[in-house]
Amino acid sequence: EPEVTQTPSHQVTQMGQEVILRCVPISNHLYFYWYRQILGQKVEFLVSFYNNEISEKSEIFDDQFSVERPDGSNFTLKIRSTKLEDSAMYFCASNKQANYGYTFGSGTRLTVV
Amino acid sequence: SQKIEQNSEALNIQEGKTATLTCNYTNYSPAYLQWYRQDPGRGPVFLLLIRENEKEKRKERLKVTFDTTLKQSLFHITASQPADSATYLCALATNSGYALNFGKGTSLLVTP
Repeated sequence: EPEVTQTPSHQVTQMGQEVILRCVPISNHLYFYWYRQILGQKVEFLVSFYNNEISEKSEIFDDQFSVERPDGSNFTLKIRSTKLEDSAMYFCASNKQANYGYTFGSGTRLTVV
Repeated sequence: SQKIEQNSEALNIQEGKTATLTCNYTNYSPAYLQWYRQDPGRGPVFLLLIRENEKEKRKERLKVTFDTTLKQSLFHITASQPADSATYLCALATNSGYALNFGKGTSLLVTP
């Protein structure tokens, strides 16, 4: 069964550093998403991406965040200057159409120290 | 403001019984509602989608109902098994329809 692949599985970074989280969505999917989950809290929407542009973003997704689809397969989330409160599990997801079920990746656990 | 409410208390049931989880929402007019399963440290896994014109949907031992008047969905697992133990998440589309908002989830523990 096709999978959404995320790398790395765990990243530790110092406060103020830039990080890039990488995702390879399912190949025939058209909609891509980033979510985050702080330990013990709910899964929170960050951003959706369709047709090479952001289709929606949440209040969390401020100027520190950016997304990119640099080629036909990768989808990245960049955090420019990490803060302690950015520590969370970050999930990438994709689907064929906006009203279909999502396929989530296994996540990247980001720890900011 | 928009809210998705799921019972925060864990649900403990005995193997073989039916588990029923509740999702209530406010200030949404959803065209559909989705249910996911999440295991510790893993990403959510899609289970079922039910549309506003569907009262009930089934998949194997799973059944979902959707009452847009009550603004509620019920998620049932019949003949529950210990392997069903997980957190179950309810999700609704954002206003733009491009993304999902998730509830906090209800933890289910099925004991032998």
